[in-house]
Amino acid sequence: DQQVKQNSPSLSVQEGRISILNCDYTNSMFDYFLWYKKYPAEGPTFLISISSIKDKNEDGRFTVFLNKSAKHLSLHIVPSQPGDSAVYFCAARRPGNTPLVFGKGTRLSVIA
Amino acid sequence: DTGVSQNPRHKITKRGQNVTFRCDPISEHNRLYWYRQTLGQGPEFLTYFQNEAQLEKSRLLSDRFSAERPKGSFSTLEIQRTEQGDSAMYLCASSLRLGPQNEKLFFGSGTQLSVL
Repeated sequence: DQQVKQNSPSLSVQEGRISILNCDYTNSMFDYFLWYKKYPAEGPTFLISISSIKDKNEDGRFTVFLNKSAKHLSLHIVPSQPGDSAVYFCAARRPGNTPLVFGKGTRLSVIA
Repeated sequence: DTGVSQNPRHKITKRGQNVTFRCDPISEHNRLYWYRQTLGQGPEFLTYFQNEAQLEKSRLLSDRFSAERPKGSFSTLEIQRTEQGDSAMYLCASSLRLGPQNEKLFFGSGTQLSVL
């Protein structure tokens, strides 16, 4: 039962353009969402997060949007750079002592 | 280096052998998590500790899996009688959780287990 779904296994974007990575969730109890980036042979690294009381959070080139009614969030990267090429995981948590639940990831390739 | 450290990075073993992995968290972090990741999947939660207390272990995949954090610092994950299906990347993460607030996990580079 995939509670966090990333339906696009891969995405290719030209350098300088916008990358949009999507994530859908099924559990309406989730109240905190995170994006992690993973390079080969490394562990995931935290990128950006958003609480359910917000609908947008921005950090430099990275912006996360949350649409609670649609149970959907997206990560926007503008402008995309070759160093952004990695696997991006969406994760979510319910309140309390509950673990993060991860999606399967989307592999982003930024082409120079 | 103040990040999460995992050893070994790679482990190749024969089916039926026992293996143990070690994780050293970021020193001031009180929570330590173990996740497993297989090819094409996201990290899958196994267990976690707050200080030395193991707060959730029902997600450990079978009774062959066990974890300890004896002094609330480093942790070990042991798999007994390994099977080929145990082949995966085992990830450790730590966080500092001071109360009911949103926490961020910091991951190590993982231990890649191959069971032949």
